[in-house]
Amino acid sequence: GDSVTQMEGPVTLSEEAFLTINCTYTATGYPSLFWYVQYPGEGLQLLLKATKADDKGSNKGFEATYRKETTSFHLEKGSVQVSDSAVYFCALSDRDTGNQFYFGTGTSLTVIP
Amino acid sequence: EPEVTQTPSHQVTQMGQEVILRCVPISNHLYFYWYRQILGQKVEFLVSFYNNEISEKSEIFDDQFSVERPDGSNFTLKIRSTKLEDSAMYFCASNKRGTSGLEQYFGPGTRLTVT
Repeated sequence: GDSVTQMEGPVTLSEEAFLTINCTYTATGYPSLFWYVQYPGEGLQLLLKATKADDKGSNKGFEATYRKETTSFHLEKGSVQVSDSAVYFCALSDRDTGNQFYFGTGTSLTVIP
Repeated sequence: EPEVTQTPSHQVTQMGQEVILRCVPISNHLYFYWYRQILGQKVEFLVSFYNNEISEKSEIFDDQFSVERPDGSNFTLKIRSTKLEDSAMYFCASNKRGTSGLEQYFGPGTRLTVT
């Protein structure tokens, strides 16, 4: 069945460091891939998405490229800020298995000044 | 910007009691969802709801669970007789269409603690 495997956390980085959070997936059909972010006390917010192979999603300096050959959708940011401290979730939805979302476990990121 | 709201933010209940978790989806959305996250585990799909009926449900969503849209704004999840293993964060979500590739909008969650 469909599933998402996400890099374990927590991750602690200094401000302006480079961020990578790994995400790989298993899907039976042609999934769409998402990164959601959850700030303390708030809901899951869409950060970026990609709906087909080789698409790159980007938002707020974050990027992720849909790599079908490696079944990956790694999240990257070149220079993190304290305000990026949050929990990041990788997810997929696959029309062949309904439109429910499959999530990873979430990766907690703390950025220190 | 419209958002999904959930109440309460934290619910503590005793084993065997019934609980109702409430959600107000975004007003022009038609598809509604419940997910849960047990501490340290993945966010898991429970159920999707459209046109006043369940459209999909997972194996987790057994006879102890039910959903309802009692009026034009609320969407509720009821657990009839809670168990210790129901302790989790429950997220409500909604979107305009239930199609792949379309984001779902999530609420902040209700933390359910069963003692």
